[in-house]
Amino acid sequence: DGGITQSPKYLFRKEGQNVTLSCEQNLNHDAMYWYRQDPGQGLRLIYYSQIVNDFQKGDIAEGYSVSREKKESFPLTVTSAQKNPTAFYLCASSIRVAGSTDTQYFGPGTRLTVL
Amino acid sequence: AQKVTQAQTEISVVEKEDVTLDCVYETRDTTYYLFWYKQPPSGELVFLIRRNSFDEQNEISGRYSWNFQKSTSSFNFTITASQVVDSAVYFCALSSGGSARQLTFGSGTQLTVLP
Repeated sequence: DGGITQSPKYLFRKEGQNVTLSCEQNLNHDAMYWYRQDPGQGLRLIYYSQIVNDFQKGDIAEGYSVSREKKESFPLTVTSAQKNPTAFYLCASSIRVAGSTDTQYFGPGTRLTVL
Repeated sequence: AQKVTQAQTEISVVEKEDVTLDCVYETRDTTYYLFWYKQPPSGELVFLIRRNSFDEQNEISGRYSWNFQKSTSSFNFTITASQVVDSAVYFCALSSGGSARQLTFGSGTQLTVLP
């Protein structure tokens, strides 16, 4: 089945540790995105990538890093510099449409808790 | 700058009632796209509909209907004969301008349908 997978579903981290969240898609989508969701709030964009080996900062990139070495994969690292990392993280992907906007499709999310 | 406002934080209805979720947007662009997503308790965002700014026709899909009014910058979502399975958080989102196709989300409306 085609889709977006995120792992793990739940992640616990001690303060001061880096942690990497996985996002894989087999939809052959060009663009991939990472969002953060806090309770009672909408989604905020962390990073996005439109093609392999290229990515741009979103609205809240500080304390996060990404890589895009393969079209299918867009891992997100939450570094120790992120002051309040406890949140729900959602990965999305979309196929580029010339002259229009993309429709983003989302994975199931990873809930990160810092102890 | 673009902004999406979902003024209704929480709505509760009894099964079979109709319910309308409000969405008001702000953008300076003449070309833009509006989206609705559903987030059930599992957490994954499910794409419901996409609309571009040049198409003001209302749309109906089963029990769901959408009313797009440029004059009031609104894109409201109505569920007819609500069911318990409709209980979820619903997000309205906007994409406009630039090449990044970034989505700006509203803060969401928590809909609870009681049996």
